[in-house]
Amino acid sequence: NAGVTQTPKFRVLKTGQSMTLLCAQDMNHEYMYWYRQDPGMGLRLIHYSVGEGTTAKGEVPDGYNVSRLKKQNFLLGLESAAPSQTSVYFCASSGDSFYEQYFGPGTRLTVT
Amino acid sequence: GQQLNQSPQSMFIQEGEDVSMNCTSSSIFNTWLWYKQEPGEGPVLLIALYKAGELTSNGRLTAQFGITRKDSFLNISASIPSDVGIYFCAGREGAQKLVFGQGTRLTINP
Repeated sequence: NAGVTQTPKFRVLKTGQSMTLLCAQDMNHEYMYWYRQDPGMGLRLIHYSVGEGTTAKGEVPDGYNVSRLKKQNFLLGLESAAPSQTSVYFCASSGDSFYEQYFGPGTRLTVT
Repeated sequence: GQQLNQSPQSMFIQEGEDVSMNCTSSSIFNTWLWYKQEPGEGPVLLIALYKAGELTSNGRLTAQFGITRKDSFLNISASIPSDVGIYFCAGREGAQKLVFGQGTRLTINP
């Protein structure tokens, strides 16, 4: 039981490049979330999903897109990366008690 | 969206000391959660609180859900080196979303 996994762990992009971050969970959770963490700002919600095939905007959705084609996977895409998107990205999932979220190890993204 | 204020922002203590930190909100929350994050890792859930006035312990950790529903407290007794990390509070906003505080960074001198 791996919990929540994220790939890749590190990535460096040039401005304008695109990439996709993958989150996978093996706990059969309905709800999945993408957050970004910046120094001194805690965790901010980018997008979330309440089930397979559904997505919704969080607090800071601009510049990001997501997809939940399978229940166990939640993808975060950056179509045209900007330096302001340099951050650590965390995926989380939750089940019946959906406010108890379980986090992955994070992806550190640098955009130059 | 709602904002959570966590204090203190950082703490430097001696091993064996007790630690107290708190989180306040301008709005009411129905659930409070406390997480710990170690360097290079994702946050790990420590304690979840569901009712105003609730007091819950997890080993040396004790958390309380404030009676006004606008605050929560976390105490760590007899701190040890492995307690080092950043502690985050989170409040449930709406049905599916959490709002996080800025974190309290705990440093322990042996």
